[in-house]
Amino acid sequence: KAGVTQTPRYLIKTRGQQVTLSCSPISGHRSVSWYQQTPGQGLQFLFEYFSETQRNKGNFPGRFSGRQFSNSRSEMNVSTLELGDSALYLCASSPDPDTQYFGPGTRLTVL
Amino acid sequence: GIQVEQSPPDLILQEGANSTLRCNFSDSVNNLQWFHQNPWGQLINLFYIPSGTKQNGRLSATTVATERYSLLYISSSQTTDSGVYFCAVEPDDYKLSFGAGTTVTVRA
Repeated sequence: KAGVTQTPRYLIKTRGQQVTLSCSPISGHRSVSWYQQTPGQGLQFLFEYFSETQRNKGNFPGRFSGRQFSNSRSEMNVSTLELGDSALYLCASSPDPDTQYFGPGTRLTVL
Repeated sequence: GIQVEQSPPDLILQEGANSTLRCNFSDSVNNLQWFHQNPWGQLINLFYIPSGTKQNGRLSATTVATERYSLLYISSSQTTDSGVYFCAVEPDDYKLSFGAGTTVTVRA
């Protein structure tokens, strides 16, 4: 099976802009989670989707949002970008609660 | 929320050496996993180990859930073992709380 894919891999934006990141899970996996990784805060959970429903959300402002489509592909959106949003954004695909398969990540730089 | 502490923060090894990484967590959890992040940022799942001991090649892990800690052993280290090792616990299904990681550098 193909692994988790994330697009784009690299992105440069300026403050105030918005950005949309995409994640395609492993075929058959219905759960998709998103994480933010920064040098200062480490890996932090953003949200998790299952069958198009957000089931869990981390402690991030409302500028961070996401959605999942009927084919399990997921997108996350960050509006009004701030410098502190520069990070590696990782998506994980899960067949069950015990196993997460991570994608290669999208590296976002906000200037 | 649950606290996950990893030690040591950094580890430098000579190729062929053995090492132990530790993960302490502050509350009961449904799940504990170990991950390796390579220099390109890819996170690879090493072990799902809520309790007991598992081995996979030169790597093994032990979790003592009643005492809230887990250990990851690397034996006969190789340069390809370099990277950051993360412990992650799952206080809620599908939601991982990560430790800060141990950065391992294996020198030839």
